Parts: sequence; C-alpha cells; structure tokens
Amino acid sequence: DAKTTQPTSMDCAEGRAANLPCNHSTISGNEYVYWYRQIHSQGPQYIIHGLKNNETNEMASLIITEDRKSSTLILPHATLRDTAVYYCIVRVVDSNYQLIWGAGTKLIIKP
Amino acid sequence: KAGVTQTPRYLIKTRGQQVTLSCSPISGHRSVSWYQQTPGQGLQFLFEYFSETQRNKGNFPGRFSGRQFSNSRSEMNVSTLELGDSALYLCASSTRTGAGTEAFFGQGTRLTVV
Repeated sequence: DAKTTQPTSMDCAEGRAANLPCNHSTISGNEYVYWYRQIHSQGPQYIIHGLKNNETNEMASLIITEDRKSSTLILPHATLRDTAVYYCIVRVVDSNYQLIWGAGTKLIIKP
Repeated sequence: KAGVTQTPRYLIKTRGQQVTLSCSPISGHRSVSWYQQTPGQGLQFLFEYFSETQRNKGNFPGRFSGRQFSNSRSEMNVSTLELGDSALYLCASSTRTGAGTEAFFGQGTRLTVV
C-alpha cells in the first residue's frame, strides 16, 4: 500500500501558486519524498524530490516539515498546462527501487 | 538527450494471445522498471531490471515476464492475455545509483485486449 495520503482533488486559479499537501507520517529516516505528475494518458513526469531539506528547481518547490511527516509541493505560478494528477511518493526502503503509487491529487487550474 | 521510448504506442490483441512490449531507456541508464496502470488499480509496479538481471518483482502472475538486454533495452511479455490485462503499460529508466535517483517515464503502450 502507498505510504502517503493526498487530497483527492484541488482547484487553483491560473497565475496563482498551487500548494499541494502530502502526508507521510510513517516515513523512515532514509526515505526520500518524490513528486510526479501525470497529464492525461501520458507517462508520469518527474517534478522534484527531497530527503529533509527544502528543494527548488525550475518546475516547483518542495517544502518538507522538520519532523518529515508531511510535505507541500508548490507550483509558484500555475498555468492551464499544470492541470494533471500529482503523485507524492515515498521511496521504499531496503534499496528496492520500485515506486508505490497512491491515488494522487487531481489539480485543476482554472482560468 | 533522448527520452525513454516505448513501442508500440497502441496495441489491440485478442484474449489468449501473447504480446511483447519494448522499452529503450535513456542513454546511460541501466535500470528499467515496468508499471501497469488501470482505472481501477492505478499505477502498479511489475518488475525492475538492472544489468540484465531482474532485481524486484511486483505482485503479478507468472504470465507477466520481462528481460533486459546488454544495451539496457528491455522487453516485457504477457502471455495468455485476459481482458483485465487491458491497461497502459509504462516503462521508467534511472541510473539506480542511490535512493535519491529519479526515474524517467516513457509515454506508455496502451494495450487493449478484446
């Protein structure tokens, strides 16, 4: 089973920041938090990942709480093309490289 | 840098037949993973190959198998197809150099079993 909990859906106005929460209260010390998104019927797209420090790249920022039990993905200026299902994933321990996916959050950007 | 390439993009097969899907990873990536995505079950891990060896396997019947070649290209095979095998099959490649390594996905092969 997935180790993360995300809201089923969210709306955001175009041009505003989209903040997507994720709960991973059982995360282990050496597990990373990954974010992917999937635009309808396409392959998932990697967004960002982190261990305990906040991370930023050209697509998004990842804020991880100090206790690492939750995180927030921030898309700073959402566009219509950011409409997608966003998945928060915790990398499985023991060097197992499989990704275990939850249901994700359906983010709808509205004009 | 070319991305992950999956062929074919679409496939229609009849129950009982077998099918082979192909995945060419990003150059330099030696790990290839396969996932099945259906509306009911979401994304589920099938197996992972690294250096021509299967390293991990998900909870799928033996009808699902795969292999990896010396150039890291991978194929997955499904024998005795069932209607429930209709799905989007996704391949991902990575360098597999640590837990913090991201996986890059192809566009998938849409398999329809009739």
